[in-house]
Amino acid sequence: GPKVLQIPSHQIIDMGQMVTLNCDPVSNHLYFYWYKQILGQQMEFLVNFYNGKVMEKSKLFKDQFSVERPDGSYFTLKIQPTALEDSAVYFCASSLGNQAPLFGEGTRLSVL
Amino acid sequence: GQQVQQSPASLVLQEGENAELQCNFSTSLNSMQWFYQRPGGSLVSLFYNPSGTKHSGRLTSTTVIKERRSSLHISSSQTTDSGTYLCALGGRNNNAPRFGAGTKLSVKP
Repeated sequence: GPKVLQIPSHQIIDMGQMVTLNCDPVSNHLYFYWYKQILGQQMEFLVNFYNGKVMEKSKLFKDQFSVERPDGSYFTLKIQPTALEDSAVYFCASSLGNQAPLFGEGTRLSVL
Repeated sequence: GQQVQQSPASLVLQEGENAELQCNFSTSLNSMQWFYQRPGGSLVSLFYNPSGTKHSGRLTSTTVIKERRSSLHISSSQTTDSGTYLCALGGRNNNAPRFGAGTKLSVKP
């Protein structure tokens, strides 16, 4: 069946560097989401994106975060600069709208 | 406050026992989804159940909108059912799903 792919599965970077997390959503999906889960903690909503715009974001979506999906390619989450507390697993999801979102396997980000 | 409350936080069963996991929500409902989160972290979608009852093998999900609750019933539990179960509530107007804190299930042989 259709899948949401997240690349890479694990990324390690030094604090203060920029990182871009990539998500390849299902091709005909219109809504895109990012979630953050710190190890052992709750899955937290970050942002959702539709028609080239941020529709909704949470307090966790700091100024250092940005999202885009240029020309229907990857849906990306950029963090610049990174901080130690950004270490977490980031999950991407996509949906058609009033249907269950499909989730990727997550990217584990380790900020050293 | 928290929109989605899951209970219990943890549950220990002997193999063969049944489990009832609850998800209560405080806002209006557009969608309700149940997931199993593997120990490695990846999510397995179990049910998309905005209302009514759905079955899949030993699993049953029931959502009662008027009572603002959804449940996941696991019958004849197996050790391989061990893990974390998450419910996610989607609000109206395509608002993004919000997750509960999860129920950590441990099934002993």
